[in-house]
Amino acid sequence: DIQMTQSPSSLSASVGDRVTITCRASQSISTYLNWYQQKPGKAPKLLIYAASSLQSGVPSTFSGSGSGTDFTLTISSLQPEDFATYYCQQSYSTPPITFGQGTRLEIK
Amino acid sequence: EVQLVESGGGLVQPGGSLRLSCAASGFTFSSYSMSWVRQAPGKGLEWISYISSSSSSIYYADSVKGRFTISRDNAKNSLYLQMNSLRDEDTAVFYCARVSGWYQSIDYWGQGTLVTVSS
Repeated sequence: DIQMTQSPSSLSASVGDRVTITCRASQSISTYLNWYQQKPGKAPKLLIYAASSLQSGVPSTFSGSGSGTDFTLTISSLQPEDFATYYCQQSYSTPPITFGQGTRLEIK
Repeated sequence: EVQLVESGGGLVQPGGSLRLSCAASGFTFSSYSMSWVRQAPGKGLEWISYISSSSSSIYYADSVKGRFTISRDNAKNSLYLQMNSLRDEDTAVFYCARVSGWYQSIDYWGQGTLVTVSS
């Protein structure tokens, strides 16, 4: 199974900051990488698919990049509503679909 | 508007069974693959099962293989998860999820239903 490792596991930042979250796959997954945002008590929400494609309705402050084994999710200017937990997910080699362990983004 | 509404969660004793349902609306259900994803309290997301649009392909995570059965009824726009031999570690919120596109992203999620396995 392909393992997905996110870093950092948690992160403190301020409104207006630029933030980058990294996801590394245990083997090459091309661009079969998706990013999700989850707020407490809510279902996850798709932000980025195919490593860099912005899901409809998602603000352009979110962007994704990478291919192979290394990927990043960048928030260019943090808004108050962006404080949440973020997950990467690979869909290259399925089953199983695998998620990263999550990155909790907190207000500094 | 796409909606996925789960039901059937609750408290069950270890070794017991439960059947989850997911009612889909707002899209052509029969055209999409679906999955179940769970989240234990305070933990991350865990994919547990996948079913293709015609039910021709079905997959399970090793953690539930042999105990859980996924199925769907395209005429009723419904997805199901039959869970048998439940264990304490199955306690989680279970999400019904729509799988979309070539990159198999999960573009819509239900609100989740809580399954608690405890004596």
